[in-house]
Amino acid sequence: GNSVTQMEGPVTLSEEAFLTINCTYTATGYPSLFWYVQYPGEGLQLLLKATKADDKGSNKGFEATYRKETTSFHLEKGSVQVSDSAVYFCALSDAGGTSYGKLTFGQGTILTVHP
Amino acid sequence: KAGVTQTPRYLIKTRGQQVTLSCSPISGHRSVSWYQQTPGQGLQFLFEYFSETQRNKGNFPGRFSGRQFSNSRSEMNVSTLELGDSALYLCASSLGGSANEKLFFGSGTQLSVL
Repeated sequence: GNSVTQMEGPVTLSEEAFLTINCTYTATGYPSLFWYVQYPGEGLQLLLKATKADDKGSNKGFEATYRKETTSFHLEKGSVQVSDSAVYFCALSDAGGTSYGKLTFGQGTILTVHP
Repeated sequence: KAGVTQTPRYLIKTRGQQVTLSCSPISGHRSVSWYQQTPGQGLQFLFEYFSETQRNKGNFPGRFSGRQFSNSRSEMNVSTLELGDSALYLCASSLGGSANEKLFFGSGTQLSVL
């Protein structure tokens, strides 16, 4: 079956540091890939997505590129802010387009950014 | 536009009881999905409803059930509660036309089973 593996956290950075959160996946075909973010006490919010190989998703300074050859979708940001402190989830939806509402999530990575 | 609303926010039950959680999707959204979030298992998909029909189902026992009403509001029910059912239950809504579309999540219902 499908699975998503994220780097274990927690990740602690100083403000303006470079961020990378690794994500690799196992799936058949070409799934769609997502990064969701969860702030304390809130539900998940979509951060970015990519639906085919070599696509780059980007939003709010975050970027991730769909790498089929390495089955990866690593999240990066050039300069983090304290407000980026949250839990980040990598996720995929099945190829084939029938997995409505069904995402397979990684375990989540806690990011803490200090001033 | 109002977001996804889940009620109640917190719930405490004892083993063997049953519980019903409610989810009101964003206006115009016809798909509602449910997820269970625990520290050990992470986020796991329960089921998805679209136009009152279950389209997808995860690997949970039959004690977990759901339904959707004609106004797209959804409820999930857990019968014969077990300690391991303690979790944050999240629902998400979307337009429902594509498996790749953005899901909008509510803040969840925190269920504690004693």
